[in-house]
Amino acid sequence: DAKTTQPPSMDCAEGRAANLPCNHSTISGNEYVYWYRQIHSQGPQYIIHGLKNNETNEMASLIITEDRKSSTLILPHATLRDTAVYYCIVSTGGGADGLTFGKGTHLIIQP
Amino acid sequence: GAVVSQHPSRVICKSGTSVKIECRSLDFQATTMFWYRQFPKQSLMLMATSNEGSKATYEQGVEKDKFLINHASLTLSTLTVTSAHPEDSSFYICSAIEGTGNTIYFGEGSWLTVV
Repeated sequence: DAKTTQPPSMDCAEGRAANLPCNHSTISGNEYVYWYRQIHSQGPQYIIHGLKNNETNEMASLIITEDRKSSTLILPHATLRDTAVYYCIVSTGGGADGLTFGKGTHLIIQP
Repeated sequence: GAVVSQHPSRVICKSGTSVKIECRSLDFQATTMFWYRQFPKQSLMLMATSNEGSKATYEQGVEKDKFLINHASLTLSTLTVTSAHPEDSSFYICSAIEGTGNTIYFGEGSWLTVV
């Protein structure tokens, strides 16, 4: 079973910041928080991951709470092409286990 | 980011035949690759973990004799669906671990239709 909880769907206006929440209250100390997205009929696309500190790259920002029990993925200026299912996953990332996907959040960017 | 490529992207095969799907890491070496299956409107389900030079580890409920996995080199893993049936029709996706092992990249996926 997935160890994360995400809202099933969200809407966001084009050009606005999209904030996707994720709860992972049982996360272990050595587990990372990963975010992927999947556009229909394609393989998942890596977005970002983090352990404790907030992270930012060209695609998004990841904000992890101090107790690490939840996180938020931020897409700063959402475009229509950001419409996808977004998956929040916790994993050690060391290769011992594959990623366990939950149902994710279907983010719909409205024009 | 690192690139993982799958081939073919779409394949149609007759019931009872076998079909092979390739997964390649194009710009990095992947000691470990993973194979997933995804049915329509469902999430990805991990099928097996493929380690270079050793036998794959299958998830519970996945038939190892039906889904043959070979990871003969650090850049190639193959999934062979043997004696395919229509219920095996699905979207098959591979992934590979890059570098220090903290980032996993996915292939584009392969659509299998068994008729």
